[in-house]
Amino acid sequence: QLVLTQSPSASASLGASVQLTCTLSSGHSTYAIAWHQQQPEKGPRYLMKLNSDGSHSKGDGIPDRFSGSSSGAERYLTISSLQSEDEADYYCQTWDTGIQVFGGGTKLTVL
Amino acid sequence: EVQLVESGGGLVKPGGSLRLSCAASGFTFSSYSMNWVRQAPGKGLEWVSSISSSRYIYYADSVKGRFTISRDNAKNSLYLQMNSLRAEDTAVYYCARGAESAPGIFDYWGQGSLVTVSS
Repeated sequence: QLVLTQSPSASASLGASVQLTCTLSSGHSTYAIAWHQQQPEKGPRYLMKLNSDGSHSKGDGIPDRFSGSSSGAERYLTISSLQSEDEADYYCQTWDTGIQVFGGGTKLTVL
Repeated sequence: EVQLVESGGGLVKPGGSLRLSCAASGFTFSSYSMNWVRQAPGKGLEWVSSISSSRYIYYADSVKGRFTISRDNAKNSLYLQMNSLRAEDTAVYYCARGAESAPGIFDYWGQGSLVTVSS
């Protein structure tokens, strides 16, 4: 079964860096994923597509502070030079024929 | 500029029906797959349904047999007909576009339309 697992919460200080993790279920380690950001009281925003080899393509207007990387079944989102507006929920998403799957989301707090 | 604007949400009684619409602009609507995703209050994102540019249709098990997705390319619009609504269908419903190079990726989202199912 295709499942994405995320830690429920993370925190980091203003100006620091943080790495969020999304783990693919067994047998699905080669799948690409997408990262989405959802700021409070807003709709989601597409950040990037992240492939299993770590290559990624970002959405329109996404700052260079956002980057992605991969290792095995793990997919990472790194945010550097944290700003207050980065405080949001972050979701990973993947797909297979006829199905879309979201991770449970990570709530990022900027201290 | 790509824009997706949902409408049609509201309060409905259990067992009732509602039709959501998503008006698209800023891109060639007919060339893209489109999707509905929902978010229950205080919860995460849940995929609901997808329709490809060639009209292949998929549903989440939780809505199969009750919801119907459709599109009108002449009107640049996406729809979700929701029947036999339950309390657990209460959520903000988002319209999302599938990326041209990877339809499984949602690269643009609307702001959402709230559906409340309550007596």
